[in-house]
Amino acid sequence: GAGVSQSPRYKVAKRGQDVALRCDPISGHVSLFWYQQALGQGPEFLTYFQNEAQLDKSGLPSDRFFAERPEGSVSTLKIQRTQQEDSAVYLCASSYRQGGSSNQPQHFGDGTRLSIL
Amino acid sequence: DAKTTQPTSMDCAEGRAANLPCNHSTISGNEYVYWYRQIHSQGPQYIIHGLKNNETNEMASLIITEDRKSSTLILPHATLRDTAVYYCIVRAPNSGYALNFGKGTSLLVTP
Repeated sequence: GAGVSQSPRYKVAKRGQDVALRCDPISGHVSLFWYQQALGQGPEFLTYFQNEAQLDKSGLPSDRFFAERPEGSVSTLKIQRTQQEDSAVYLCASSYRQGGSSNQPQHFGDGTRLSIL
Repeated sequence: DAKTTQPTSMDCAEGRAANLPCNHSTISGNEYVYWYRQIHSQGPQYIIHGLKNNETNEMASLIITEDRKSSTLILPHATLRDTAVYYCIVRAPNSGYALNFGKGTSLLVTP
């Protein structure tokens, strides 16, 4: 389809393992966003890319979280040495224009549900 | 970005109009009002946005009061598939990148 695609849909990992979550944005979208959604809460911003440049990573909760978008399309969110509090749904969104200076809406994928045992 | 206030939950009968209110009394002149919804186990879905004038699209209508301190999202003929959490977000261009979702309104459409 033409929407934002995220994989895997579900991920279970043991505490201390590293995980990688993938996001395929809508083709041609300049801006890419990652959000974290805890159970019963609204999504919370993690980081933002404009093409391959990571312009805002103010929402990343710790240095165990790392995101990249090397070619300005697909993005990967990596979490090292996972902890139980990392259990959440991780959402990716994209928009056509620059995220900070535009009123364009963000289009979301269905997320990756991460469970840390 | 201005803070928004929404009721925690609402019910609506199938086929009737669902009117979801949002207060944003501290909104600034360049801030837009956005509505998203999130159906269970899915990502948020953009519905509509507006600045001053009322807006309508194939999904919903957005009514913004003249003083812009509140707005109402209207689903004209609610269906069971409209059961979701609805988020009202106020945001200005050039205000950063994050959408601040808050807790939203949980709308239950009943048969």
